[in-house]
Amino acid sequence: SYELTQPPSVSVSPGQTARITCSGDKLGDKYAWWYQQKPGQSPVQVIYKDTKRPSGIPERFSGSNSGNTATLTISGTQPMDEADYYCQAWDSSTAWGLFGGGTKLTVL
Amino acid sequence: QVQLVESGGGLVKPGGSLRLSCAASGLNFTDYYMSWIRQAPGKGLEWVSYISSSSATKSYADSVKGRFTISRDNAENSLFLQMDSLRAEDTAVYYCVRVFGYCSKISCYFVEFAPDYWGQGTLVTVSS
Repeated sequence: SYELTQPPSVSVSPGQTARITCSGDKLGDKYAWWYQQKPGQSPVQVIYKDTKRPSGIPERFSGSNSGNTATLTISGTQPMDEADYYCQAWDSSTAWGLFGGGTKLTVL
Repeated sequence: QVQLVESGGGLVKPGGSLRLSCAASGLNFTDYYMSWIRQAPGKGLEWVSYISSSSATKSYADSVKGRFTISRDNAENSLFLQMDSLRAEDTAVYYCVRVFGYCSKISCYFVEFAPDYWGQGTLVTVSS
């Protein structure tokens, strides 16, 4: 079955660039989505279709997807960006959605 | 704006049943696939089930197949999840989610779906 793999944690200093990866077999042939979840809150979509930002999402959030890896990049990371981040993809062969295991971003 | 409000969660004994409901507003409900996605305490996100706009297509995670039933009432802008034979491992926050479909990178013959709007979630606890 198809799987998406994320690092459990990423740390970054305020103002620096955070990169969170999501790996899967030929993931670049599919679209990747990214969600931010803060404690006690519902997930919020921050990137859709690999690179697009929903309205209201700051420009410091960007995405890429090529080969086997999708990457969420947060430029000029702010303390408010501390959260769990999940990647998501759709497996057309099984018509089923999958999430990565999630990455806890710490801004310290 | 889109609002999805879940209800029906609570404490239930193993083997028991619960019915979750989701009231949708601010969207043309009949145009969209809808889904239930859950999150066990301290764990990640997991697709549970989804349903097409007309209810013609329903799909379930292997872990709930045969025990959970998804349905919708387009006249009432409502989504439901009937959960039977509940197990301790079903304990989770259950989110009602609008799902949006996009043409795949390969062809519009294939559609890729992803959640965009999420409800606040309802907690289901299965414990004796």
